[in-house]
Amino acid sequence: DAGVTQSPTHLIKTRGQQVTLRCSPKSGHDTVSWYQQALGQGPQFIFQYYEEEERQRGNFPDRFSGHQFPNYSSELNVNALLLGDSALYLCASSLPSGFTAGANVLTFGAGSRLTVL
Amino acid sequence: LAKTTQPISMDSYEGQEVNITCSHNNIATNDYITWYQQFPSQGPRFIIQGYKTKVTNEVASLFIPADRKSSTLSLPRVSLSDTAVYYCLVNQAGTALIFGKGTTLSVSS
Repeated sequence: DAGVTQSPTHLIKTRGQQVTLRCSPKSGHDTVSWYQQALGQGPQFIFQYYEEEERQRGNFPDRFSGHQFPNYSSELNVNALLLGDSALYLCASSLPSGFTAGANVLTFGAGSRLTVL
Repeated sequence: LAKTTQPISMDSYEGQEVNITCSHNNIATNDYITWYQQFPSQGPRFIIQGYKTKVTNEVASLFIPADRKSSTLSLPRVSLSDTAVYYCLVNQAGTALIFGKGTTLSVSS
């Protein structure tokens, strides 16, 4: 059973460019969350998608946008890249709340390492 | 902002038991306490979750006192491969997970 898969694993962009990162959730999961993790920091919540809509959003500018497809896979788009956008971008999937006891447990992918020059 | 406070770092030796305490003074009635482990260049991995008292699985134990304002993750007989960052989070079903900086555990031989 495949877990969360992300692509690409590494990429290099220059300032001002745009990037698209992709994520396939774990089988059976239909909620996808995206996180940004800078070096030495904990993951920072960007947004969460459920039923193809953005359900929650963290404190990130509109340059960060996303999409969820009918098969539950998701994309993260970042426009007008800044040097400070260099980070590990993590995708996590989960069952929707109410389907399991307790709080939602996230399954993370290995991430996409973005370097902005 | 993360709703938890935990030590920045801890050191241990192989074979010892490690206890990492997390403070969450403002925990809400519907919040659960969840711990994740993260190795370099990998995504966090779920370790254990609890609401009150004690929870144990094949990897760790989680101790939660009656007032639920703190919790302790216990790792029995750590090995070098347990060197990682450990995150304590509190959240309710359906809400986003907010990570702090975590506790960097270093295990030496």
